[in-house]
Amino acid sequence: KNEVEQSPQNLTAQEGEFITINCSYSVGISALHWLQQHPGGGIVSLFMLSSGKKKHGRLIATINIQEKHSSLHITASHPRDSAVYICAVRERGGSQGNLIFGKGTKLSVKP
Amino acid sequence: DGGITQSPKYLFRKEGQNVTLSCEQNLNHDAMYWYRQDPGQGLRLIYYSQIVNDFQKGDIAEGYSVSREKKESFPLTVTSAQKNPTAFYLCASSMGVAGGRETQYFGPGTRLLVL
Repeated sequence: KNEVEQSPQNLTAQEGEFITINCSYSVGISALHWLQQHPGGGIVSLFMLSSGKKKHGRLIATINIQEKHSSLHITASHPRDSAVYICAVRERGGSQGNLIFGKGTKLSVKP
Repeated sequence: DGGITQSPKYLFRKEGQNVTLSCEQNLNHDAMYWYRQDPGQGLRLIYYSQIVNDFQKGDIAEGYSVSREKKESFPLTVTSAQKNPTAFYLCASSMGVAGGRETQYFGPGTRLLVL
């Protein structure tokens, strides 16, 4: 069974700091997703990756398929970035429609 | 505005009662999903549907039922057989289930509490 592990579980940063959140998984995948869950519970998809790197504004997501690892970076962090960041993977050859989710990393950015 | 809506925001269930959670999308997406979120755990898939009149069980389907009679709607019924229904329920939709079509759009969620 594919396990999705995120680190750290909790992260506190000062405004302006560079943030890195890590995601590791145990079996081959066809895609990896990064999502953001706001304090009220709403979830937004940030990135879908199958290789390389993607950038959107201050957010950068990278994936290393050989090492089964992905990172989400936030540059110039801001208090509005405070949220839970969730990694999810689709197993290669797995059931269509079934993502496996990590438990999330709770980020708090202090002004 | 295109989006995905869930109702109600909060729902209370009495012992032995079935309750239905609503999920509607106007994004013209083929695929829809129901997830359950418990504190300290990742999202877990209850059911998903790739197309109208078809749906598949996820990892924790026992005690739940769904229907997909219309493309826009994917209601979830929490039956009395679900012994621990207290959780946050999230509905999502996507254009498809693989490739560039699998990015999911989430509704605001429904919190279900058992009285």
